[in-house]
Amino acid sequence: NAGVTQTPKFRILKIGQSMTLQCTQDMNHNYMYWYRQDPGMGLKLIYYSVGAGITDKGEVPNGYNVSRSTTEDFPLRLELAAPSQTSVYFCASSYRDNQPQHFGDGTRLSIL
Amino acid sequence: QKEVEQNSGPLSVPEGAIASLNCTYSDRGSQSFFWYRQYSGKSPELIMSIYSNGDKEDGRFTAQLNKASQYVSLLIRDSQPSDSATYLCAVNEGSQGNLIFGKGTKLSVKP
Repeated sequence: NAGVTQTPKFRILKIGQSMTLQCTQDMNHNYMYWYRQDPGMGLKLIYYSVGAGITDKGEVPNGYNVSRSTTEDFPLRLELAAPSQTSVYFCASSYRDNQPQHFGDGTRLSIL
Repeated sequence: QKEVEQNSGPLSVPEGAIASLNCTYSDRGSQSFFWYRQYSGKSPELIMSIYSNGDKEDGRFTAQLNKASQYVSLLIRDSQPSDSATYLCAVNEGSQGNLIFGKGTKLSVKP
């Protein structure tokens, strides 16, 4: 039972490069989320999705894009990487709102 | 701006003692409350959820909720060094269901 799987685990990008952080879940959860976690700052919601084809902005969406073509997958796209996007990124999923969210292992991203 | 407040700590307790972690929230419409444990360099792990006023016990963990005071707490009995971690309080936004996380309380259990 894999749960929520994120790839890659680590990545170093140069300023201006782009990349996609992958997230997939095998729990048939409707809701999926992307968070970033900076030291001492807690988890901030970037984007979320309540089902395939439906996405919405969270608290800190600038510089990111998402898509949700299937129930299982919810990739996060960085188009023009900036040093301020250096962070740890977590993907999570839940069956519905008000239910516990289950987290992936995270992607540690550094932009230099 | 809806907020979830926690003392950042560190909270230091001796092994075998009771650790008490506290959290307050601003959204009176919140209905779901969660405690996550996060070890350094790892992802958050759900340890307790609570939806109704009162106490909920699971092994050495007890979650307490008081909606009138907008307060939720986590008690850890017989604390062990392996409980040393950051504990995140999460509360759902009443209208959308998204979780708002506190910044976490770092707990250190000394042998």
